[in-house]
Amino acid sequence: NAGVTQTPKFRVLKTGQSMTLLCAQDMNHEYMYWYRQDPGMGLRLIHYSVGEGTTAKGEVPDGYNVSRLKKQNFLLGLESAAPSQTSVYFCASSPDRSNQPQHFGDGTRLSIL
Amino acid sequence: AQTVTQSQPEMSVQEAETVTLSCTYDTSESDYYLFWYKQPPSRQMILVIRQEAYKQQNATENRFSVNFQKAAKSFSLKISDSQLGDAAMYFCAYRSANRDDKIIFGKGTRLHILP
Repeated sequence: NAGVTQTPKFRVLKTGQSMTLLCAQDMNHEYMYWYRQDPGMGLRLIHYSVGEGTTAKGEVPDGYNVSRLKKQNFLLGLESAAPSQTSVYFCASSPDRSNQPQHFGDGTRLSIL
Repeated sequence: AQTVTQSQPEMSVQEAETVTLSCTYDTSESDYYLFWYKQPPSRQMILVIRQEAYKQQNATENRFSVNFQKAAKSFSLKISDSQLGDAAMYFCAYRSANRDDKIIFGKGTRLHILP
């Protein structure tokens, strides 16, 4: 009963490097989300997807790209990492836009030097 | 634009006592959902309780209950008989019932349980 799995859990990058964070869910959820969590800021929505093949921008999308080629996977990419992108990243999924709660992964701590 | 405000960055409560965490929100929508999530030091986000805006009855889950005041746009969380395991960061969240991108989290309240 894995739920939402994020890989990797930790990563250190140098400025300008690129990387992809992977999120996988096994609950057949339609909706998936990427958030970043910074001290004193709560969670802020980066991008989201309402189904396979769809993506949309959230509150803070700049510097990130996403893809949802398969229903169970939602990838977050950083093309050219910047120190301002140092954060903890959370993936979440939900069955729909309803009172059903989001299920979260355990987060990825990303440091950009 | 919707906003969620948690005015208490930190709170402390004695074990076995009751504590209330406040949350206010601003919206022009009439149909929405409200959630409280708990984030312990393990970093995992866990649903505590949820409330549908169209329901007048306050939600309750064991020791956790809410005081939902729709007109005042207030959604406070009451934790009764506080336990050491309740120590965590608590986030209030708003979700629009009509827009996919309107999911707003408050900045959180860190709750300390004193033995």
